[in-house]
Amino acid sequence: KAGVTQTPRYLIKTRGQQVTLSCSPISGHRSVSWYQQTPGQGLQFLFEYFSETQRNKGNFPGRFSGRQFSNSRSEMNVSTLELGDSALYLCASSFASGGYEQYFGPGTRLTVT
Amino acid sequence: GESVGLHLPTLSVQEGDNSIINCAYSNSASDYFIWYKQESGKGPQFIIDIRSNMDKRQGQRVTVLLNKTVKHLSLQIAATQPGDSAVYFCADIYTGANSKLTFGKGITLSVRP
Repeated sequence: KAGVTQTPRYLIKTRGQQVTLSCSPISGHRSVSWYQQTPGQGLQFLFEYFSETQRNKGNFPGRFSGRQFSNSRSEMNVSTLELGDSALYLCASSFASGGYEQYFGPGTRLTVT
Repeated sequence: GESVGLHLPTLSVQEGDNSIINCAYSNSASDYFIWYKQESGKGPQFIIDIRSNMDKRQGQRVTVLLNKTVKHLSLQIAATQPGDSAVYFCADIYTGANSKLTFGKGITLSVRP
């Protein structure tokens, strides 16, 4: 069974731009969660989608948004990029909403210059 | 590779020795506790979990201990190998409404040959 895939793996953007990251969950998994990982703050929860609905949201500004499609693939969008948005963005999939057995993708490394 | 190990405490052990990685959590309502391993360039990988009604669980070469009285979690790795070198995260989750994984800061395990 294929694992969680994320595209692109690396991205360089300029302040003020917007970016869209994509995540394909493990086949059969309907929940996708997104996390931001930085050296200073560690892994922080952004949001979770299950059956195309946002089920939970972390403490991030409204510039961070996401969505989920009927095939469970998910995208997250960051608008008006700031230097502090540079991070590794990880998505994780699980079978159930709020499940503790989450399987992570390799992440997208976003650098904002 | 990803520089996820910056600003993290480091545990250095000799190959073949046992390793003990400790973690504190804050949510007394959490009902599952999980250890993840993250190698350079990869997303976190599930190692072992323990439910809150248990105090010990063993896997292959790994043991997790849970002390709810002091909100402490530890991961013991027997006969540590070079392939165990990675960043280790503990996480906890309350699988009720708005459940989400909350990650600890992470510890870098370095295995000396």
